[in-house]
Amino acid sequence: DIQMTQSPSSLSASVGDRVTITCRASQSIRGYLNWYQQKPGKAPKVLISSVSSLQGGVPSRFSGSGSGTDFTLTISSLQPEDFATYYCQQSSSTPRTFGGGTKVEIK
Amino acid sequence: EVQLVQSGAEVKKPGESLKISCKGSGYTFTNYWIGWVRQMPGKGLEWMGIIYPDDSDTRYSASFEGQVTISADKSISTAYLQWSSLKASDTAMYFCAREHGSGSYIDYWGQGTLVTVSS
Repeated sequence: DIQMTQSPSSLSASVGDRVTITCRASQSIRGYLNWYQQKPGKAPKVLISSVSSLQGGVPSRFSGSGSGTDFTLTISSLQPEDFATYYCQQSSSTPRTFGGGTKVEIK
Repeated sequence: EVQLVQSGAEVKKPGESLKISCKGSGYTFTNYWIGWVRQMPGKGLEWMGIIYPDDSDTRYSASFEGQVTISADKSISTAYLQWSSLKASDTAMYFCAREHGSGSYIDYWGQGTLVTVSS
């Protein structure tokens, strides 16, 4: 199985900060890397698919990059509604696997 | 509008059986993989398995194979997650989720079904 390692597991940031979350796969997953946002008590929501494809309705302050085994989610200017937990997921093969999550909290 | 509507919360005792459901609407149910994701209290997302309703091709995570059964009834556009003998450690929120055809990311989620197993 492909293991997904996300870091950091949590971070504190202020509104307006630039935030970067990284995700590393245990083997190459080509371009099959997705990012989800989950708020408390809600189902996750896809932000970015296939490394860098921003989903409809997702603000352009979110971006994704990377290749092979190393990937990054960047929030260019953190907004109050961005405080949530973020998960990466590989969809290159089954079993699909998620990273452990990054909780973004208010500083 | 695509929707995945899950069955309601359940409270069960250890050893009991359970089957929860996820009804798809607003799209051709047989054309998309549909899967299940577990989230234990205060923890992250765990991918359990997926099924292709058209032919019932099913893939499991090793962590869940033999512990649960994923099935689908395409005549009523419904996927299921089933346990034959629940444990306290099965207490969690369970989400069903549709995989997008291109890229296999999850594009739609159910609202979640909370399963509580307690004596």
